[in-house]
Amino acid sequence: DVKVTQSSRYLVKRTGEKVFLECVQDMDHENMFWYRQDPGLGLRLIYFSYDVKMKEKGDIPEGYSVSREKKERFSLILESASTNQTSMYLCASSLQGRETQYFGPGTRLLVL
Amino acid sequence: SQQGEEDPQALSIQEGENATMNCSYKTSINNLQWYRQNSGRGLVHLILIRSNEREKHSGRLRVTLDTSKKSSSLLITASRAADTASYFCATDAGYGQNFVFGPGTRLSVLP
Repeated sequence: DVKVTQSSRYLVKRTGEKVFLECVQDMDHENMFWYRQDPGLGLRLIYFSYDVKMKEKGDIPEGYSVSREKKERFSLILESASTNQTSMYLCASSLQGRETQYFGPGTRLLVL
Repeated sequence: SQQGEEDPQALSIQEGENATMNCSYKTSINNLQWYRQNSGRGLVHLILIRSNEREKHSGRLRVTLDTSKKSSSLLITASRAADTASYFCATDAGYGQNFVFGPGTRLSVLP
């Protein structure tokens, strides 16, 4: 079974802090994704990566950056957290064919 | 505007009844997928239907796709309390296009 893990289930940070969310997958998937999920808005794609050291902006990249130094690990970085970044963050991975995405359990981030 | 829109937003049924959820989208797609999310958890893939398929089954799940109407439906038969979750459709419009998820249908199955 594919396993996607995220570093924290719950996180509380202060406005202006730098925040790191980490995601690790164990199935040698090429593609990795970061989404945020807000009530009534569904999932919105922040960034994705098709290969090591490669990244592409999704629909809402502003205020975020990512890092993929190793194939199994994809990090989402909030350079200076703001209250409007309070959300559920979901990581996913998939094989190169782009089809089924496998999701981690999510990180619920609260920015005060 | 969103590619995928589920309907209804919320659905409440009794255990043993069937549940039907619909998804509409705007552009041509390669495939459409349905995912389930239990409260506060990640999404779990349920079923994928390609643009050249009209119907697909998996256990108690039946998915249909009508590309002329740009719509899909997910039918859960003989529902159980454990089916209580949010259900999302996601469309894949092909290389260079991002997956787009709808806002979801919240299903409650009452014992």
